[in-house]
Amino acid sequence: DAKTTQPNSMESNEEEPVHLPCNHSTISGTDYIHWYRQLPSQGPEYVIHGLTSNVNNRMASLAIAEDRKSSTLILHRATLRDAAVYYCIRATGAGSYQLTFGKGTKLSVIP
Amino acid sequence: ETGVTQSPTHLIKTRGQQVTLRCSSQSGHNTVSWYQQALGQGPQFIFQYYREEENGRGNFPPRFSGLQFPNYSSELNVNALELDDSALYLCASSFRDFSTDTQYFGPGTRLTVL
Repeated sequence: DAKTTQPNSMESNEEEPVHLPCNHSTISGTDYIHWYRQLPSQGPEYVIHGLTSNVNNRMASLAIAEDRKSSTLILHRATLRDAAVYYCIRATGAGSYQLTFGKGTKLSVIP
Repeated sequence: ETGVTQSPTHLIKTRGQQVTLRCSSQSGHNTVSWYQQALGQGPQFIFQYYREEENGRGNFPPRFSGLQFPNYSSELNVNALELDDSALYLCASSFRDFSTDTQYFGPGTRLTVL
């Protein structure tokens, strides 16, 4: 079962950092952790992914726990454009790279 | 660089009819995946095509079928439409490098079945 657990919703003030948590306690050693986000009326958008180490890109940072059973997506300064549903996904290979989405975390950004 | 495009944007069908949805992959991508997203839910994986062959399928019945063409564009066909097939259908393309495939999604086709 490729289930991940995320809070249903979170709020953040504009220009403050946001930490979005995700639990994936049954992750296997070869599963990557991907984060996608979906803005209203759009398709999902890739944010970041990682395997074991912390990762940074222009959009966000990903902190992965040492036991890999949890991870945190970090938006360093939330903007109104970051209001979206954020999905934490265990990406399983084994021939086809399919993404198993949960319900995600709806992030609201308060001006 | 052209992103993933889907057509049509919206579609209304009646129960029992058949529908074809189309997707144009991002340039350079060789893999396309289709997802169904019901209102208020996350997308659910339908199937994936790699080099014109089905390469993985989710928990969807055989009346959901697909094609990938030599130019890597794709179609999703749904036969004998049911009311529960009303959803946003998302296409995602990627370049298969057998490590991790970042998927790029189109805006989706909103299908309503009456």
